[in-house]
Amino acid sequence: GQQVMQIPQYQHVQEGEDFTTYCNSSTTLSNIQWYKQRPGGHPVFLIQLVKSGEVKKQKRLTFQFGEAKKNSSLHITATQTTDVGTYFCARSGSEKLVFGKGTKLTVNP
Amino acid sequence: SAVISQKPSRDICQRGTSLTIQCQVDSQVTMMFWYRQQPGQSLTLIATANQGSEATYESGFVIDKFPISRPNLTFSTLTVSNMSPEDSSIYLCSARTGHSGNTIYFGEGSWLTVV
Repeated sequence: GQQVMQIPQYQHVQEGEDFTTYCNSSTTLSNIQWYKQRPGGHPVFLIQLVKSGEVKKQKRLTFQFGEAKKNSSLHITATQTTDVGTYFCARSGSEKLVFGKGTKLTVNP
Repeated sequence: SAVISQKPSRDICQRGTSLTIQCQVDSQVTMMFWYRQQPGQSLTLIATANQGSEATYESGFVIDKFPISRPNLTFSTLTVSNMSPEDSSIYLCSARTGHSGNTIYFGEGSWLTVV
């Protein structure tokens, strides 16, 4: 299946700075999901985006789905040390998920 | 949501041996999957575990190496056969419930180290 490309691979920020990770596909996506994996943990579902141009917010996290449904972003405002982890986007087909390579976020206190 | 229990959570295995990982879900699920996550890498789908029939394997994974069972709606096993150090990885069970749409829930993973 088609991969989703995720950038950057790594991001180091100072606590309080903003953070954004991007997910891109060469083909139109039916939907996109975002997961967070803490160090030593397992992936945890954050959100699913379905509609073109959709924007969803969860406290300091803002998720966007592009108008063409080929890209998505996750933005964290004023990062905290609890935001540390790897953020994955995943393309969902009719049955299974195909994950991007993830963006590993580290936050310096 | 669904709670997914995996065991063992962690093991150190000898080269050439096989290990079976068990996955139990606390509710009936429509689909179960097995993923592998090598150190520092993303998740790669190994196969879809089908109830009462052979699993559907992704490219690069074969039944002889990763036999999978799913005898009922809530339980599945993955065996990693004839292990080598390259099989050192986290193996994750996941499931989709009928009520969760496309959301997939993950177990806590089984961390295998092959020496």
